[in-house]
Amino acid sequence: DVKVTQSSRYLVKRTGEKVFLECVQDMDHENMFWYRQDPGLGLRLIYFSYDVKMKEKGDIPEGYSVSREKKERFSLILESASTNQTSMYLCASSSAGGSGANVLTFGAGSRLTVL
Amino acid sequence: GQNIDQPTEMTATEGAIVQINCTYQTSGFNGLFWYQQHAGEAPTFLSYNVLDGLEEKGRFSSFLSRSKGYSYLLLKELQMKDSASYLCAVRPPNSGYALNFGKGTSLLVTP
Repeated sequence: DVKVTQSSRYLVKRTGEKVFLECVQDMDHENMFWYRQDPGLGLRLIYFSYDVKMKEKGDIPEGYSVSREKKERFSLILESASTNQTSMYLCASSSAGGSGANVLTFGAGSRLTVL
Repeated sequence: GQNIDQPTEMTATEGAIVQINCTYQTSGFNGLFWYQQHAGEAPTFLSYNVLDGLEEKGRFSSFLSRSKGYSYLLLKELQMKDSASYLCAVRPPNSGYALNFGKGTSLLVTP
C-alpha cells in the first residue's frame, strides 16, 4: 500500500512564525500535492509538483511556498504564518502514468492553528 | 476553471439506496473522481469516470454524462459505516494530475 506520511498531526504556531509542514511518500510517486481543507470550502489546491525541483501554483498559493529537493519529500512552507492560515493541510501523491495516475493517495493531515 | 456543485448534506436509512449528485462546469475535462472521507481521516479513492456511463464497484457505482456535466455516486445497501463525506472532483487538462474538488456531501446513515 502507498503510504503518505505527514510529520506533524497537530501544530500550534504564533502569527509571524515560519512554519514547515513535511510530507513523505514511500512509493516512488512523481506527483505530489498540497491541499488545505476548510469547513464550507472543501479541498483547495495550494501547490503541486510533478518532479524533483519542479513546482506549480495551485488555486491559492499566496502566503505559501514549497520545496521538493528529493522525490519522496514535498514540504509546504508558511514564511510568516497568519491566523487565516489556520486549517487542515493535506498532502497527496500519485504516479505519473498508467492507472495509478488517476488515484491521489492522501496523508492523514496536519491540523495547524495560528494564534 | 471548474465550478463543482454537490449537495451539502444528505440523510438515508440503513439498507436503503442513496444517490449523490455532482454537476460541474469545465473548460476542459480529463476525468471525474469520487472520494470518501470519514470524519478526522484522509480522503480515500472510490471511483473514476472518464467516459460516459456507469462504473460499478461492489455496493458503489458512479455515473458520468460529459454532455450534461453531470455525475452521480450511487450507494446501495447502506451501512452505518457509510456515514462520511463524499467528495466529487474533476481533473482539468494540463493540471499535472491535480484535482479540483467540490465542497463535499456529508452523508448520515441512520438506523
